[in-house]
Order: sequence, then C-alpha cells, then structure tokens
Amino acid sequence: GENVEQHPSTLSVQEGDSAVIKCTYSDSASNYFPWYKQELGKGPQLIIDIRSNVGEKKDQRIAVTLNKTAKHFSLHITETQPEDSAVYFCAASENSGYSTLTFGKGTMLLVSP
Amino acid sequence: DTGVSQDPRHKITKRGQNVTFRCDPISEHNRLYWYRQTLGQGPEFLTYFQNEAQLEKSRLLSDRFSAERPKGSFSTLEIQRTEQGDSAMYLCASSLVSSGHNEQFFGPGTRLTVL
Repeated sequence: GENVEQHPSTLSVQEGDSAVIKCTYSDSASNYFPWYKQELGKGPQLIIDIRSNVGEKKDQRIAVTLNKTAKHFSLHITETQPEDSAVYFCAASENSGYSTLTFGKGTMLLVSP
Repeated sequence: DTGVSQDPRHKITKRGQNVTFRCDPISEHNRLYWYRQTLGQGPEFLTYFQNEAQLEKSRLLSDRFSAERPKGSFSTLEIQRTEQGDSAMYLCASSLVSSGHNEQFFGPGTRLTVL
C-alpha cells in the first residue's frame, strides 16, 4: 500500500517569512496530492491540491510543487501570517482521488508575530 | 464550516460500552468516508460509501466496527464493546464523484474517549 512521509514535524517561522513542507510517497500509481490544514478542534480543510499531469499549482500565497520522478511534493506558503498557524497534512491517492487518501503525519506550523 | 456535520462532537464512555456516531454529508455528495485520527497522526481511512453501498473497508475496521448509510444520505458508525485503544477522533468526509474531481470535505469530527 501507499506510504506518505512528511517533514518537518514542526516548523516555526516569523511572520512574513516563507514556510516549506515536504512529502514523499511510495506508490508510483498515486496521481492526486491534496494538502489539508487542520486547526485545533476542527476537521481538516482542503487548501490546495495537485494532480500528476502538472508540476506546480499556485493559489495566492500557497503553492504546491510535484516531482513525479523523485516521488515528492511540497507545500510553499509565502508571507506567512499568524492565522496560518495550524497542522498541515499532505496526502496521496490513486485514480485522480477516486481511491482513498493516505495521509502523512502532519506538520505543526507556528507563525510568530 | 465545510457543510459536513457530525454528532456528537465529544463522547466519553466506559470500556465495554457501545457507541454510535452520526455524519451528515454535504447534501448532493454521493460519497461518504470515515477516518480515524489519533494524536499526532494523520487521518487513517476506515471505510467509504458510494450512495448506499459500502465499497471498501480498511483492515483497521475490526469486527466491532460497523458503518451504515441506509438511504445514501447520513451515515452512522457504531463501535461495539469499546476498548481504550478506540480512543481517537473519528472524522467523516464527503465528496461528489464527477469527471476528474473527488475533493473530500471533512466534518469537525467526533472525539471518543474510552475510560
């Protein structure tokens, strides 16, 4: 089955800095890679996703890059704000997301004012 | 708020008791998923439904767990004879399966504590 590794487990940055979270996956058949943000006491919220037919996707301050050859993908947050503080999860799935999601263990991002 | 609701939000029970959780998905969504999340981990897949049919179950779903989605709308997850190891957050997600898209939207979860 799929295995998703996520690093780092915690990340502390100053407001305005950039943050990068990296994930690797094991199953070459995976082709859908969403990122979720989870705030305390809430369920995960989808913030961006990427499919294997593209190498990069951007949405305002958030971007995701995918390297299919190396089987890794990354989340980039620019101009971080205190409200970006949360736990971020990467996930991978086959069949364009029609198969179940396998999640990484999460990264706790702390943005200090 | 994603539009997926779960009830109750918290449940404390004694070992050996049965518990049942409910999930109401986004109304037009035809897929409904159950996940379990323990502290410091990502969600782990348990099972999913497409309309009324339960299409896949994880090996994590022991015989004490049963899920239903009788009318293809809300779903229930029952745990019988709870054990302390069942303590976790139980998350429900829903999606609309359509050409090329299957984004999953999660509810707030039900936190189960087994004493």
